[in-house]
Amino acid sequence: QGQLVQSGPEVKKPGASVKVSCKASGYTFSSYGFSWVRQAPGQGPEWMGWISTYNGYTIYAQELHGRVTLTTDKSTTTAYMELRSLTSDDTAVYYCARDRVYATTMGAPFDIWGQGTMVTVSS
Amino acid sequence: IVMTQTPLSLAVTPGEPASISCRSSQSLFHGADGNTYVDWYLQRPGQSPQLLIYMFSSRASGVPDRFSGSGSATEFTLKISRVEAEDVGVYYCMQRIEYPCTFGQGTKLEIK
Repeated sequence: QGQLVQSGPEVKKPGASVKVSCKASGYTFSSYGFSWVRQAPGQGPEWMGWISTYNGYTIYAQELHGRVTLTTDKSTTTAYMELRSLTSDDTAVYYCARDRVYATTMGAPFDIWGQGTMVTVSS
Repeated sequence: IVMTQTPLSLAVTPGEPASISCRSSQSLFHGADGNTYVDWYLQRPGQSPQLLIYMFSSRASGVPDRFSGSGSATEFTLKISRVEAEDVGVYYCMQRIEYPCTFGQGTKLEIK
C-alpha cells in the first residue's frame, strides 16, 4: 500500500532555512513523484511544488519560487523539501504526498500522505 | 484555478445525508483523455488529509460506499448518504488539471 514518514517538528528563527524529509516505503519509489503541501494554522492546504523521481524535474508554486527546493534520493527512497528565508508566514504543517512521476502525464490523486511536519518560525 | 466550496460548515444528525458543493473557476474536464480532474479529501482533526474521491466520482480504496462524487466540468458534489460519527472533519475539493493544484476553502462537518 505504501507509507510516507516525515521528519520531526522544527523551530526556526526568521531568515533561517528548514529542510524536511519524507521517507517512502512499501511501493516502488521511482514509479511516483511527490507533491508538497503546507497548511498554516486554521487554514486550508496550499500546494507548494512537485518533483519527479524519474529525472528530478520540478514545478514550484509561483509565490514560493526561489525560496523552495525539492529533491529526492533514490538510494534512501527519501524526498526533501528545503525552504529558505523563513518568515512567520511560513509557520505551518508541511506534508509530502505521492503524486505522478512524469511531467508529461496528468497529475495523480494524492493517495498517500505523510503525517506532517510542524515548522514554527519565531524569534 | 479558484475552487469555491459551499457550505463552509454543516451539522448533520447521524444517519442523515449530507451534501457539499464545489465550483471551479475553469473547466476541470480534460478533453484529450476524457477525465475530470477533481478530487475530494477528508481531514479528520489532527490528521493528514485522506483521499476519498478521485476524478470526481471514483471512490478511493477502502472508502465506504456511502461516499459518492458527482458533477461535471465546473460543478461538483460530494454526498454522504448516511453520516456517521467518524465522518467528522473538514472536507476539501482539489483540482489537479493543472499546477498549481488548488483546494477549496474546506467544509467543516459536525455531528448534531
